[in-house]
Amino acid sequence: LAKTTQPISMDSYEGQEVNITCSHNNIATNDYITWYQQFPSQGPRFIIQGYKTKVTNEVASLFIPADRKSSTLSLPRVSLSDTAVYYCLVGDGMDSSYKLIFGSGTRLLVRP
Amino acid sequence: EPEVTQTPSHQVTQMGQEVILRCVPISNHLYFYWYRQILGQKVEFLVSFYNNEISEKSEIFDDQFSVERPDGSNFTLKIRSTKLEDSAMYFCASSELSGRARETQYFGPGTRLLVL
Repeated sequence: LAKTTQPISMDSYEGQEVNITCSHNNIATNDYITWYQQFPSQGPRFIIQGYKTKVTNEVASLFIPADRKSSTLSLPRVSLSDTAVYYCLVGDGMDSSYKLIFGSGTRLLVRP
Repeated sequence: EPEVTQTPSHQVTQMGQEVILRCVPISNHLYFYWYRQILGQKVEFLVSFYNNEISEKSEIFDDQFSVERPDGSNFTLKIRSTKLEDSAMYFCASSELSGRARETQYFGPGTRLLVL
């Protein structure tokens, strides 16, 4: 079973860049790595996904090395509203044994 | 923007009772999911559903759980005989194509279940 590891929490200040890494060994070889954001009492919300190298969208960047054993979510110039829990989501196994696995989550606190 | 809806938002039940949690996925989506989040813990995958049958399920999804799509719009999770440890937030999600991590999932607001 794929094992995912994320830092439990991170602190930052407004305007700083924040990088959150998820380690994930043995993930499904043909699947993407996806990151979600969750605010209290809400469902997770999609941020970004990628397979390899770097992906950038309007809110974040995602860096995935060639071995795909980790991924790093980069949030440029965070604001107070970025305070949330961030999860990586990976797939483990193939076909009938496939499982979706959320990381343990990283609680980001952005201070003024 | 289309969204996943869930009812009820909160449910309190007695241990041993049956509960049914309801979800209306986004209308053109083909894959549906249930997740559980115990207070203060991470989101845990329970089950995915496609073409009127279970696609994948986790070890948590034992015989006391069942899912159903009773009509063209609703997707339900039934817990037959609730236990105290079933107390959690239950999220429904849907995705347009495939049950893989590559597919963006849209989550509902959740149902908070409290078993007394």
